[in-house]
Amino acid sequence: DGGITQSPKYLFRKEGQNVTLSCEQNLNHDAMYWYRQDPGQGLRLIYYSQIVNDFQKGDIAEGYSVSREKKESFPLTVTSAQKNPTAFYLCASSSDGYSGNTIYFGEGSWLTVV
Amino acid sequence: GENVEQHPSTLSVQEGDSAVIKCTYSDSASNYFPWYKQELGKRPQLIIDIRSNVGEKKDQRIAVTLNKTAKHFSLHITETQPEDSAVYFCAASIRTSYDKVIFGPGTSLSVIP
Repeated sequence: DGGITQSPKYLFRKEGQNVTLSCEQNLNHDAMYWYRQDPGQGLRLIYYSQIVNDFQKGDIAEGYSVSREKKESFPLTVTSAQKNPTAFYLCASSSDGYSGNTIYFGEGSWLTVV
Repeated sequence: GENVEQHPSTLSVQEGDSAVIKCTYSDSASNYFPWYKQELGKRPQLIIDIRSNVGEKKDQRIAVTLNKTAKHFSLHITETQPEDSAVYFCAASIRTSYDKVIFGPGTSLSVIP
């Protein structure tokens, strides 16, 4: 799990701004994910990607966008359409995206709206 | 739809006592059940997992049991220590077009020295 790097760790967004969270993995994993965690809450899936150039919406995709141009990278953009973006964002990966493969998490990024 | 419930939401135990966290899942197709530990402000880390063809698994002070008929699984921590204090998440994974992992809402465990 040390092979997933998220940046920045802390980010402040002004109203109406788009911001992008970076996620890079060197685990050679095919599948990557983005989760959102609100204080005292569980993990909710935003987007996932099983393979390069393909991604699917999760449970709370509205106001977010992603790309998967490289196997190692899965950036998340929080758009101005996301009305309540303040949260802890976790990027994750697994070997091939199929059931039973361990999901490893990055260290997370804190996003705050100012 | 798929759902994972987790109880209790908070748990306090004295150091050295045991802690038990229980989860239930709704989808009978679930076949993989990981448990994650998350310390404050840090990432969730896998501590133990169990697959549907196994009823129990142990790793030192941690054990997980699975009852597929009842669709519930439990985490048991024995001889608790202060460093066990964290939020614990259970999860259930089903085979769909991708590794769909559904997390429970979490249990905040406090171990009192």
